[in-house]
Amino acid sequence: SSELTQDPTVSVALGQTVRITCQGDSLRTYFASWYQQKPGQAPVLVIYDKNNRPSGIPDRFSGSNSGNTASLTITGAQAEDEADYYCNSRDRSGNLVVFGGGTKLTVL
Amino acid sequence: QLQLQESGPGLVKPSETLSLTCSVSGGTISSNSAYWGWIRQSPGKGLEWIGSIYYSGITYYNPSLRSRLTISVDTFKNQFSLKLRSLTAADTAVYYCAGDRSGFINILDPWGQGTLVTVSS
Repeated sequence: SSELTQDPTVSVALGQTVRITCQGDSLRTYFASWYQQKPGQAPVLVIYDKNNRPSGIPDRFSGSNSGNTASLTITGAQAEDEADYYCNSRDRSGNLVVFGGGTKLTVL
Repeated sequence: QLQLQESGPGLVKPSETLSLTCSVSGGTISSNSAYWGWIRQSPGKGLEWIGSIYYSGITYYNPSLRSRLTISVDTFKNQFSLKLRSLTAADTAVYYCAGDRSGFINILDPWGQGTLVTVSS
């Protein structure tokens, strides 16, 4: 299986733009999905297939991919965006799921 | 609207077997191309994929848990289940079930609310 690496912590000023990254060899082949998790709650899918948002997810969330790196961008971060963010993808075989270690986003 | 709900014991003794069930409502577990997965989160830690089952019954397991793990589906009850054997304190975690109707296995939506399982004597 492959690994996905995320920065443990990221901060952003209220209203500014922040990018959260996820690196791994499998991302050269498979798109990442991104999940938001607030304290005491289950994760929620916010981006899939590189840059698709499920219904109800604000359009300030977007995704992109380049080489072995997937990125989640929040344009105009809000206080309610403070949360842990996890990426996941498939491993090289395409049959198993791997998660990144998560990034704790602080909105200042 | 698809909804998932985990059920099972909150406390299990070391060396015993954990059995959890995920009940699916608002949709059929036999949907073409759907995967049904289990994910866990140890206290203060990140998400760990446990395994998934395809709508046809094919299973995919985390290699680190494969020797202790069985995931099955009950289409009549619209449920899928997890059995994890030979538990240790390291298996203490919140266990989530999730659905993936995309056919890609890793697009997990929606998730159940999670159930805390503590392994202790």
